[in-house]
Amino acid sequence: GDKVKQSPSALSLQEGTNSALRCNFSIAATTVQWFLQNPRGSLMNLFYLVPGTKENGRLKSAFDSKESYSTLHIRDAQLEDSGTYFCAAEGFLLSGSFNKLTFGAGTRLAVCP
Amino acid sequence: EAAVTQSPRNKVAVTGGKVTLSCNQTNNHNNMYWYRQDTGHGLRLIHYSYGAGSTEKGDIPDGYKASRPSQENFSLILELATPSQTSVYFCASGPDWGGQNTLYFGAGTRLSVL
Repeated sequence: GDKVKQSPSALSLQEGTNSALRCNFSIAATTVQWFLQNPRGSLMNLFYLVPGTKENGRLKSAFDSKESYSTLHIRDAQLEDSGTYFCAAEGFLLSGSFNKLTFGAGTRLAVCP
Repeated sequence: EAAVTQSPRNKVAVTGGKVTLSCNQTNNHNNMYWYRQDTGHGLRLIHYSYGAGSTEKGDIPDGYKASRPSQENFSLILELATPSQTSVYFCASGPDWGGQNTLYFGAGTRLSVL
């Protein structure tokens, strides 16, 4: 909901280009996860982050807990990157409990040839 | 590989009927979750559990009950289904607080209440 805001809500990319998705938190988050929901509907975990950065292939993610945001960078976008990207944050003040994630509304990404 | 299995995958129910959605995980994770996904809302937490015998209310628990009879199984129960509960439901599991709580999702159940 409003506690986790994702931008942009939708994005169209040319194959081979780069882009960044962003997630802003209104209340302090302790960890962040990024998920990709593919066009068939399956949800896959991309990253689990404490404050810092992680990289996996063409994807790189950063989480700044002090500034309350996280980013997901996609390099050299491919057709199979299409889908909806969700960020989700965990934090006692954010969620009112431990081990409970609050999701953003998602960014719909379409990669075109 | 983590495995979370949901059943049924698709369900059509009548208003006022009882619906049970089942979830089984073979990850030996303590935590399990039920989310619903609706356009414009992302995933919203309905109920979750810290282990066998425990159920906790999530952000939108009204109209739903949950049951965690064992480590492996977590059910979502709609005692009196309503059309507003038409949605896609996802179950997930994750390790407990001591470890990295990466969530693993099932494939989803598409529920239509007529």
